[in-house]
Amino acid sequence: EVQLVQSGVEVKKPGESLKISCKGSGYSFANHWIGWVRQTPGKGLEFMGIMNPWDSDVRYSPSFQGHVTISGDKIISTAYLHWSSLKASDTAMYYCARWAGVAGTGEIDYWGQGTQVTVSS
Amino acid sequence: DTVLTQSPGTLSLSPGETTTLSCRASQRIGSSYLAWYQQRPGQAPRLLIYGVSNRATGIPDRFSGSGSGTDFTLTVSRLEPEDFAVYYCHQYGNSPITFGQGTRLEIK
Repeated sequence: EVQLVQSGVEVKKPGESLKISCKGSGYSFANHWIGWVRQTPGKGLEFMGIMNPWDSDVRYSPSFQGHVTISGDKIISTAYLHWSSLKASDTAMYYCARWAGVAGTGEIDYWGQGTQVTVSS
Repeated sequence: DTVLTQSPGTLSLSPGETTTLSCRASQRIGSSYLAWYQQRPGQAPRLLIYGVSNRATGIPDRFSGSGSGTDFTLTVSRLEPEDFAVYYCHQYGNSPITFGQGTRLEIK
């Protein structure tokens, strides 16, 4: 059974750094691109970026380029989303997701359970 | 960016009814790369339909998708209590990929 298990709830202050994780199991992690989707009540679902776990090649949505860093470790089947300096506007639910097709194409066929990030002073 | 506009925003229906949800794209979606997801309260989205009309694994045939170009629909037949949720369309044919804002299906 394919599973993406994300790290837990985070409460941080503006300016702090944060790295959340997503561990894949039940499939060959290196064979499917994996990415991140943000969900907020105001903007809904937003694609942030996608990574090839095989070589860590990352493609960012222009809206998120420069503000977050996506990385991964295929040895432990884990992807990461990192902020160096959080803002209140980063408060959201973050989902990791697996892309079905080759080279990061196709639909999202599996989602993690979500990590709620709250940034508040 | 390809903007996906879903309508209506909210639907109030009773179990057993059939409904059609709409997703309209601001530009043609390449290669019929459109999917639908269901999100129940407190849960992650779940893939229902991909490639406009292909049901994902384990999805009952009460769910069907159709459309082409810029206009797409999701039909849910014989609504079950567990079908009352939020539904999102998603295009992955144009870069960057985008999602609709969702249609909430609620029990009347």
